[in-house]
Amino acid sequence: AQSVTQLDSHVSVSEGTPVLLRCNYSSSYSPSLFWYVQHPNKGLQLLLKYTSAATLVKGINGFEAEFKKSETSFHLTKPSAHMSDAAEYFCVVSGYTGKLIFGQGTTLQVKP
Amino acid sequence: SAVISQKPSRDICQRGTSLTIQCQVDSQVTMMFWYRQQPGQSLTLIATANQGSEATYESGFVIDKFPISRPNLTFSTLTVSNMSPEDSSIYLCSVDGSTENYGYTFGSGTRLTVV
Repeated sequence: AQSVTQLDSHVSVSEGTPVLLRCNYSSSYSPSLFWYVQHPNKGLQLLLKYTSAATLVKGINGFEAEFKKSETSFHLTKPSAHMSDAAEYFCVVSGYTGKLIFGQGTTLQVKP
Repeated sequence: SAVISQKPSRDICQRGTSLTIQCQVDSQVTMMFWYRQQPGQSLTLIATANQGSEATYESGFVIDKFPISRPNLTFSTLTVSNMSPEDSSIYLCSVDGSTENYGYTFGSGTRLTVV
């Protein structure tokens, strides 16, 4: 069975400082992992995905995530936060059935 | 990646009534997924819809409450039946657009308020 845990429900950073959103996963299979972002009253947008190729995955808008099997982690980072990054972020794992399991979400607040 | 058109985008419904949500995909897909996002919460899978067979429901969701149709490889509907205020949520459909660069694609969602 698969599961995903986002370790922080809320993260607050200042504009221009690094962002770290933490995610741990559990999977009986080699997982596919995703990060999605949801801006207020907007749909879900894929930031990046990992599917057993390179462990460091680069996504859109300067985000990247590193797959660490030994730590069962897939943390999302960005070197410098922008005001437009304020949103809800979901770490997601996919199993062999194609079903997506979402983490509880992390609200990113960016202060001026 | 696939493009999904979902409608309605929002609706306000009376309790006891039903609402049917439609998702149209611009390409043929084997599986379509329906999710619910309750206020302030994450997404939970309701069911997986395959063309030509009964939908597969997750624990806590039943066909009588959430009947699903999948008449062809580009279209699906989800009905929320006999609604109560607890059904107020965002409902989203999704397809696996996975390629090297793309993940699952989601419809824009239906924001349902039951009064």
